[in-house]
Amino acid sequence: GAVVSQHPSRVICKSGTSVKIECRSLDFQATTMFWYRQFPKQSLMLMATSNEGSKATYEQGVEKDKFLINHASLTLSTLTVTSAHPEDSSFYICSAPRLTSYNEQFFGPGTRLTVL
Amino acid sequence: AQKVTQAQTEISVVEKEDVTLDCVYETRDTTYYLFWYKQPPSGELVFLIRRNSFDEQNEISGRYSWNFQKSTSSFNFTITASQVVDSAVYFCALSEATYGQNFVFGPGTRLSVLP
Repeated sequence: GAVVSQHPSRVICKSGTSVKIECRSLDFQATTMFWYRQFPKQSLMLMATSNEGSKATYEQGVEKDKFLINHASLTLSTLTVTSAHPEDSSFYICSAPRLTSYNEQFFGPGTRLTVL
Repeated sequence: AQKVTQAQTEISVVEKEDVTLDCVYETRDTTYYLFWYKQPPSGELVFLIRRNSFDEQNEISGRYSWNFQKSTSSFNFTITASQVVDSAVYFCALSEATYGQNFVFGPGTRLSVLP
């Protein structure tokens, strides 16, 4: 089956630093990718939609200047958390839809970010 | 707007008991997809099932079964003869039926199966 990878799987950083998370679709192309955030014991909430060749669209309440998204190619989207703070500590999951007759999507394994 | 409700926040059962996880959804779309995912402690989502809104047939896969009722906007999930390995958080999700639509997840139900 199709695979979506994320790198890194886990990152610990100091407050004020920037962290980049990569999401790759390994065996299919995706013009759209989604970034979700999951706080402890909560559900997945959509943060933004990454669009290849155009700007990302952000959900209400998500700061676009803080969470920079770049959809560099049809298989790669990156999420950069700029000037990370402890409240940004969360589990970040990406997903990529594969073009089929239905909305078939594949989720990455997630990246656990801890900001000290 | 789409919304998914999972009324049970946490459920504890003893091994070999049957357990049903409830899912109620809201959507104005006439065509949509419903999903169930399992999230073990590792965090990686495990796909369990996808159901098209036009297909109301119940489905069984081993110890798992799903009951989709459009009339009540429910898509419930039953685990028969539960096992300790079933312990996880289970999410019900909804999406539009067209390509490239994001998922709307329910709040999740944490299932603990005790030995």
